[in-house]
Amino acid sequence: AQSVTQLGSHVSVSEGALVLLRCNYSSSVPPYLFWYVQYPNQGLQLLLKYTSAATLVKGINGFEAEFKKSETSFHLTKPSAHMSDAAEYFCAIRGDNNNDMRFGAGTRLTVKP
Amino acid sequence: DAGITQSPRHKVTETGTPVTLRCHQTENHRYMYWYRQDPGHGLRLIHYSYGVKDTDKGEVSDGYSVSRSKTEDFLLTLESATSSQTSVYFCAISESIRTAMPGELFFGEGSRLTVL
Repeated sequence: AQSVTQLGSHVSVSEGALVLLRCNYSSSVPPYLFWYVQYPNQGLQLLLKYTSAATLVKGINGFEAEFKKSETSFHLTKPSAHMSDAAEYFCAIRGDNNNDMRFGAGTRLTVKP
Repeated sequence: DAGITQSPRHKVTETGTPVTLRCHQTENHRYMYWYRQDPGHGLRLIHYSYGVKDTDKGEVSDGYSVSRSKTEDFLLTLESATSSQTSVYFCAISESIRTAMPGELFFGEGSRLTVL
């Protein structure tokens, strides 16, 4: 079954520091992978998606993610954190029957001044 | 922003009472989904719809039913609410996820349900 695992439920960084949020996937077929962000009291919005066109995917707000098949990983990075990046981030994978999306448990990012 | 409206946004109810949450979209998207969000679990799919009157179960469907009589509306019903159904419920829509380029999900703002 398709699934994703996010390593670390909470990550704290200083403003200006590198952001690294980890996601590993399990899939019996080439996966379609996504990162979503959720700001307080809002729904989720798409940051970026991997659909096999390129292993390095650039998203909104300066975020990017690299698909590494050998490591079954799809980690999210941003070179320099901003206070406005504080939110919860979810990794997701398209489900087995192609009709749904399966989400990780989420990682809450805190940015310290 | 995608035109998705969830109602009610907040509800407190008692165990054993029926509850219906409504999702309304103005995007004419084919696919609609109901997820629940709980700490430590992320979002889990309850039910989804791939067209009018076409629905299927997700991974946590027990205790929930859905209906879609019009493209724009997708209703989630808890026939007899239990405390374990206290959660934040999100509706999402997608034009198509059955393509080589999978569709993005667009989410509503959520409905917070408390079952006492």
